[in-house]
Formats: sequence, C-alpha cells, structure tokens
Amino acid sequence: SQQGEEDPQALSIQEGENATMNCSYKTSINNLQWYRQNSGRGLVHLILIRSNEREKHSGRLRVTLDTSKKSSSLLITASRAADTASYFCATGRSGGGADGLTFGKGTHLIIQP
Amino acid sequence: DSGVTQTPKHLITATGQRVTLRCSPRSGDLSVYWYQQSLDQGLQFLIQYYNGEERAKGNILERFSAQQFPDLHSELNLSSLELGDSALYFCASSPSLARTSYEQYFGPGTRLTVT
Repeated sequence: SQQGEEDPQALSIQEGENATMNCSYKTSINNLQWYRQNSGRGLVHLILIRSNEREKHSGRLRVTLDTSKKSSSLLITASRAADTASYFCATGRSGGGADGLTFGKGTHLIIQP
Repeated sequence: DSGVTQTPKHLITATGQRVTLRCSPRSGDLSVYWYQQSLDQGLQFLIQYYNGEERAKGNILERFSAQQFPDLHSELNLSSLELGDSALYFCASSPSLARTSYEQYFGPGTRLTVT
C-alpha cells in the first residue's frame, strides 16, 4: 500500500511560475525524501528532510515538513521546461533497521514554454 | 548517470517463463534495493540486500527471488511470469543501512513485457 499521497496528481503551469506539490503520509517517519522521474526513466534523488527538520533548501527547491500533520510540500521556484517530470515523495520508516522506501503515487508536473 | 547499472534495458517474454534481471550498484555501496513500478500499483519496494544478505522484504511475490553476490551485484529472478508482472523494475543502491537515512541511487530500470 502507498504510504504517501501526493497532491495534485497533475499540475500544468507556465515557465517561470512556481510549482507546489504536497505529500501526506500515514505512519511515523525518520525522514522524507523527494525524487524526480523523467518519463519512463530512473528516479533521481532531489532532497531529503529529516523528521527533526522543518524546512530545507536546495537550489530552486524548498521542502517543508510538518510531522504533526504528517505532510510535506515541495516548492520549485522559477520553473523551467526541463522541470517537466513526475515527482514522488518517499518515506523511510522510523525505528531501527533499514528498509525500502515507500513511495506516493506522484505528481505529474508539466511546464508550458 | 547515477552509477547504478541494470541489464537488460528491455525484456519481452511469454507467460510462464522465467527471467533474470541484473543490477550493479554504485561503487562502494553495500545496500541494494529492488522496486517494481506499474500503472496499477505504482512504485513498490520488493526486497533489499546488504553485503550479500537479505535485509528487508516488501511486497515481493513468492514467484520472485533475489540474491546479492560477493562482488555486490544483485539479480532479481522472476518465474512463472504472468501478464500482470509487466512493469518497470528498478534497482537502487545506498552506502549503508542507517535506517534509510541515506538517499538511494536508482538505475535506469528494466522494462519487462510479458505477452
């Protein structure tokens, strides 16, 4: 079953505008990650935010995490055509031991030139 | 380029057959993960190996198995294939166990089509 649920499922904006995607999850986590996938290709790690962090920046990306609401948001500023892709949030379980990531269903972002 | 390689890129086979997918992790990464991506189920974690040993299991079917070899490459074996097994299969690697605090590096995937 999917741990995270991204919202919206699809988003189309003009180049230069900001894009915001949201993710909600169900169980406690020790970190949350965002990945990008270009059509049919491998996933690329964008940013990781730990459960004790509230906000993190990387270039044009800004991620927030609200553990009380079990939600996260990814903001891409000054969007470019190359940002067209699907974006997934993924969570790792809290507690000891490693495990695979649980992914949401993704937001398909289209940047119109 | 993530440094993770997967072969083959594409595989077309018939129902009932068996296939093997291969993955080489990034240099130095000890942990290998397998994921399945399909339209129905989305991205699902199948199984993880760490330094040759099975570490965690996700939604992996009994018909599927995996192993990690001493040189750290991994293989995913899919048997008695069904139409519903058609999907993209990704391998990912990370440096350590560390409660998945480390990002994972994904390979380009193997697209499996079962006819």
